[in-house]
Amino acid sequence: ETGVTQTPRHLVMGMTNKKSLKCEQHLGHNAMYWYKQSAKKPLELMFVYSLEERVENNSVPSRFSPECPNSSHLFLHLHTLQPEDSALYLCASSQERMTFGAAYNEQFFGPGTRLTVL
Amino acid sequence: QKEVEQNSGPLSVPEGAIASLNCTYSDRGSQSFFWYRQYSGKSPELIMSIYSNGDKEDGRFTAQLNKASQYVSLLIRDSQPSDSATYLCAVNTYGGSQGNLIFGKGTKLSVKP
Repeated sequence: ETGVTQTPRHLVMGMTNKKSLKCEQHLGHNAMYWYKQSAKKPLELMFVYSLEERVENNSVPSRFSPECPNSSHLFLHLHTLQPEDSALYLCASSQERMTFGAAYNEQFFGPGTRLTVL
Repeated sequence: QKEVEQNSGPLSVPEGAIASLNCTYSDRGSQSFFWYRQYSGKSPELIMSIYSNGDKEDGRFTAQLNKASQYVSLLIRDSQPSDSATYLCAVNTYGGSQGNLIFGKGTKLSVKP
């Protein structure tokens, strides 16, 4: 496997189900991200993990729960979702570095999980 | 509220022409700038990054940055039908969480044969 992988690629779930999305990066990066992409809206950053610590939680509802057991793996646990949560969920990774006070942060995306909540 | 603005398009150009995609951003503290290409139904793919004022060329792509005007652009020379996609501009602001990229809504490009 190369790059960033995500499973499953497609997921249909009812509002009472519990499911998890998985992301794995094979790039040796030290940061991982979850994004949500809905139609007609820009990519929304949900969570950031840097060196396995969560450093950002962009006011995401508690029905989304991230987990980062190590620097290569990232999970998004889903429970009691709403139909408006239907979207493409993207995982990304980067090697965060600072040089002369500037941040260099090229992020590489996985293929995404297309989630439909019925 | 930090924002990144792009014309949603669609921008239509004939094959072989130069496509010019533009992006403005609101935060003067922004340090790093990226262009992603996203084909329909696919995830974003990084195609260019630029960190200092001026031009950066990579094959048929040229990124241009003007921090004073808070403006970044992407030129695609000799446009091909395979360049038809949505192009996302992303900006990384210095300070706070370095990992935060703010994305624009994207410009849809259509290259007509």
